[in-house]
Amino acid sequence: AQSVSQHNHHVILSEAASLELGCNYSYGGTVNLFWYVQYPGQHLQLLLKYFSGDPLVKGIKGFEAEFIKSKFSFNLRKPSVQWSDTAEYFCAVGGGNTDKLIFGTGTRLQVFP
Amino acid sequence: GAVVSQHPSWVICKSGTSVKIECRSLDFQATTMFWYRQFPKQSLMLMATSNEGSKATYEQGVEKDKFLINHASLTLSTLTVTSAHPEDSSFYICSASKGEDEQYFGPGTRLTVT
Repeated sequence: AQSVSQHNHHVILSEAASLELGCNYSYGGTVNLFWYVQYPGQHLQLLLKYFSGDPLVKGIKGFEAEFIKSKFSFNLRKPSVQWSDTAEYFCAVGGGNTDKLIFGTGTRLQVFP
Repeated sequence: GAVVSQHPSWVICKSGTSVKIECRSLDFQATTMFWYRQFPKQSLMLMATSNEGSKATYEQGVEKDKFLINHASLTLSTLTVTSAHPEDSSFYICSASKGEDEQYFGPGTRLTVT
């Protein structure tokens, strides 16, 4: 069955700390991978996406993610977080000839000044 | 570009009544629109996929007679929750796609059934 797993449910960091959020997926066939962010009171926004090519993908606001096919992973990273990065982060997978997305359970990130 | 709106943002209705939620793509034509449901502290669960002019495709376990989806134009899709019950209370989110494998999300509608 297709699924997405986010292991960190709640992460608390101080500003300037480095961030890595885990995402593993189970999906048959060609896969497209996404990270979305939901700031408090706002709608989901795309942080970055991977369709093909360079497995290291750079997104907005200094985020990046690495697709490791052998590990079925697409972890999100940021070298130095800011207070404004406090939000809920969702990993999602889709692919093939369908637009359907399957979302992970989300990771709540809190960054303290 | 690629803005999606939802109306209303919050609705309270009595048990047994129906409520309609609108999803609009404001600055693009959406080949496909999606409806999700999000429970508190949980992920988004896809309810159905709709293409303009055709019947929606519902995910397993979603009652199509309860959650009526109409995709009347390339910029508008509606979700009607019929005979709502308290367990239907949730956050409903729509998204729209231009057919480029990326979805653009609306701000969501919080439904409370009393």
